[in-house]
Amino acid sequence: EAEVAQSPRYKITEKSQAVAFWCDPISGHATLYWYRQILGQGPELLVQFQDESVVDDSQLPKDRFSAERLKGVDSTLKIQPAELGDSAMYLCASSLIPWSTDTQYFGPGTRLTVL
Amino acid sequence: DAKTTQPNSMESNEEEPVHLPCNHSTISGTDYIHWYRQLPSQGPEYVIHGLTSNVNNRMASLAIAEDRKSSTLILHRATLRDAAVYYCILLQGGKLIFGQGTELSVKP
Repeated sequence: EAEVAQSPRYKITEKSQAVAFWCDPISGHATLYWYRQILGQGPELLVQFQDESVVDDSQLPKDRFSAERLKGVDSTLKIQPAELGDSAMYLCASSLIPWSTDTQYFGPGTRLTVL
Repeated sequence: DAKTTQPNSMESNEEEPVHLPCNHSTISGTDYIHWYRQLPSQGPEYVIHGLTSNVNNRMASLAIAEDRKSSTLILHRATLRDAAVYYCILLQGGKLIFGQGTELSVKP
């Protein structure tokens, strides 16, 4: 069964450093999502892509976070500089059909610890 | 954003049915009700969704109240592998807005 791939699975960094996370969605899925999940809370959408275009980044802290999906396939989420409050699980998800009831398939996530 | 309310935690015994409730009194007519679950150290996974009628799939059943202000996820025979956080979500504009969910523990 096809899966969403994410790497790394774990990342420890010091504050003010730059970090990057990678996501490879299920083949053929045009819509890609990045979520942030703070311990004990549900995931929060950071950014949504339709192919290579950002369609929703209203919750993305744009002063330090950036996301790209240059060829409309895999995607990178970057934080620069990292802050202590960025410690969280970063989840990537993909779906076949946007703005619909279509299922979102989640990857295993990247757990970020900022020291 | 329309909100959902779920109990923080529930307990079940293995091989018994589990009914997970969800209130969504501000639901609008076009909002679909989705359920996802998140096993420890994993990303969320889809369980089931519905609009007005009750729904069944291989994982669970979804019972939706006639006024749509509440719904219940039914696991017919809980197993230890069903221990997870279950999220009841209203899909709005294609966006999943997660709450805190219900943490289900299953006792052998």
